[in-house]
Amino acid sequence: DGGITQSPKYLFRKEGQNVTLSCEQNLNHDAMYWYRQDPGQGLRLIYYSQIVNDFQKGDIAEGYSVSREKKESFPLTVTSAQKNPTAFYLCASSTGSTETQYFGPGTRLLVL
Amino acid sequence: AQSVTQPDIHITVSEGASLELRCNYSYGATPYLFWYVQSPGQGLQLLLKYFSGDTLVQGIKGFEAEFKRSQSSFNLRKPSVHWSDAAEYFCAVVPSGGGADGLTFGKGTHLIIQP
Repeated sequence: DGGITQSPKYLFRKEGQNVTLSCEQNLNHDAMYWYRQDPGQGLRLIYYSQIVNDFQKGDIAEGYSVSREKKESFPLTVTSAQKNPTAFYLCASSTGSTETQYFGPGTRLLVL
Repeated sequence: AQSVTQPDIHITVSEGASLELRCNYSYGATPYLFWYVQSPGQGLQLLLKYFSGDTLVQGIKGFEAEFKRSQSSFNLRKPSVHWSDAAEYFCAVVPSGGGADGLTFGKGTHLIIQP
């Protein structure tokens, strides 16, 4: 089955800890995106990548980092600098910036 | 900068009644337009999209949307809602000429279905 997988489904972070959210796609898409979703805020873009080994900051990149070493993978690290990380994180991919984005099932991050 | 407005944060509709969710965009040229649906705790699923051509677009699950250039609107409709339609609905746009960061989303409309 083609699609986007995100893991884990739930993630708990302790104070001062970095955590990494996984996003993998087997759709052969060039572009990948990370969004943060908070109640009443809609989706806010954290980082995006149009091709391998290249990525750009979105609207709320502070406290986050990404890598794009492989076409299929776009992991997101929530660093200790992100003071309010509790949210639902969604990964998406598309064939290009004007094309339909397909979403993974999401990861809910909670702070202990 | 482009923006998307979904004026209704919550909408309550009786099961079997018709539905219209509003979406307005602000952009200099006609963008590409999308509607997504999100069930609680899930990712987003594409309902329909408009790129060009017929301004009335049919989607999955019995939904349709009409693009009105003069009103900068792309409203989503369904003639008869089912309890399973209760979800969050997002309108999104992207410039037809391309935007490196992809889609701009509205803040969503939460649809509640009354029995």
